Amino acid sequence: EVQLVESGGGLVQPGGSLRLSCAASGFTFSSYWMSWVRQAPGKGLEWVANIKQDGSEKYYVDSVKGRFTISRDNAKNSLYLQMNSLRAEDTAVYYCARVLRVPVGPFDYWGQGTLVTVSS
Amino acid sequence: SYELTQPLSVSVALGQTARITCGGNNIGSKNVHWYQQKPGQAPVLVIYRDSNRPSGIPERFSGSNSGNTATLTISRAQAGDEADYYCQVWDSSPNWVFGGGTKLTVL
Repeated sequence: EVQLVESGGGLVQPGGSLRLSCAASGFTFSSYWMSWVRQAPGKGLEWVANIKQDGSEKYYVDSVKGRFTISRDNAKNSLYLQMNSLRAEDTAVYYCARVLRVPVGPFDYWGQGTLVTVSS
Repeated sequence: SYELTQPLSVSVALGQTARITCGGNNIGSKNVHWYQQKPGQAPVLVIYRDSNRPSGIPERFSGSNSGNTATLTISRAQAGDEADYYCQVWDSSPNWVFGGGTKLTVL
């Protein structure tokens, strides 16, 4: 059974940093592109970042470029999102998702999400 | 950047057919995916590449895509189908784009 479990969310002040993790199991993690998708409170879904199987390609939504970094450790079956210079508008539930087929998708499995709140 | 337009809400009587649309410029040339999200839960893929159902998704869920509109159709709607539904495509920016979501109410 495919499982994705996020962790690392919490309350952080504007300008602060946070690192999210996603532990994957039930599939060959190193064979799939992976993504982060977020959802602000009461709002819709927004793709944040993607990373290729070996980490050699990474893509970001414009609003997080230069502030967020996606990475992965295939030996640990883990995906990460380093978030720096956080803003109030980054407040959201962050989901880890597997990409079934690149580039067209879909995101076929999702974790339960971890909440990031940026507030003073 | 590419935009997807969904109605904010759709209502359907119990047992009837609901249709949720997703509009985009020449969306018929793209692969459209649909996700269901119930309150407090993660999204679940219900249709991929326009009209394909993942295993475990009832046959009541179907999809089509042509011209400037993709459609998710839910036949014999049940109370358990009440949820938010999102369409999604890949745009060559590269960018993975979601529609704004549609709240389905089963009356």
